[in-house]
Amino acid sequence: SAVISQKPSRDICQRGTSLTIQCQVDSQVTMMFWYRQQPGQSLTLIATANQGSEATYESGFVIDKFPISRPNLTFSTLTVSNMSPEDSSIYLCIGSTGEKLFFGSGTQLSVL
Amino acid sequence: KNEVEQSPQNLTAQEGEFITINCSYSVGISALHWLQQHPGGGIVSLFMLSSGKKKHGRLIATINIQEKHSSLHITASHPRDSAVYICAVRSGTASKLTFGTGTRLQVTL
Repeated sequence: SAVISQKPSRDICQRGTSLTIQCQVDSQVTMMFWYRQQPGQSLTLIATANQGSEATYESGFVIDKFPISRPNLTFSTLTVSNMSPEDSSIYLCIGSTGEKLFFGSGTQLSVL
Repeated sequence: KNEVEQSPQNLTAQEGEFITINCSYSVGISALHWLQQHPGGGIVSLFMLSSGKKKHGRLIATINIQEKHSSLHITASHPRDSAVYICAVRSGTASKLTFGTGTRLQVTL
């Protein structure tokens, strides 16, 4: 089964700065999803990362705020731009081969 | 109303008890996943269901497509089963996942 390495595991950032989160998969996955989990809430889909094309964003999330790259089937990044304290959350990448799901270890982000 | 509802939100059981966690959903799905997250740990996939029932060790998962309901059962529970159990459904052409809020289980000696 695939293993996803997600970095960083946690970070504390200043308001107005940006943070890029990386997910590296040790084998190819068909689909890569980026989720956010705010305190006390369930995981919410930000976008689906498509290889070689723009990501597909869910309602309430925009590319300028959460630019995503997926240059190949084993790597993807999510950037949280111009951060504010409301962006403090756990960010999680999930890979899928269709039937199976593979989870990154999550990035705990705190914005001061 | 969330598309995926889990109950109970919190559950405390004594070692050896039979445990049931429920998941109801309101959308058409292609599959339902049960996931486990230990404190401080990552998420692991326990089961993927599209119909019927699956068993792995002391864990049993069932799904009723007509009633849009799934259950996760743990037999002979043990303190190491203490974790958050999450139900997630896949739907739509993009196969995106919608997550429940999780059930926090604590099994005591």
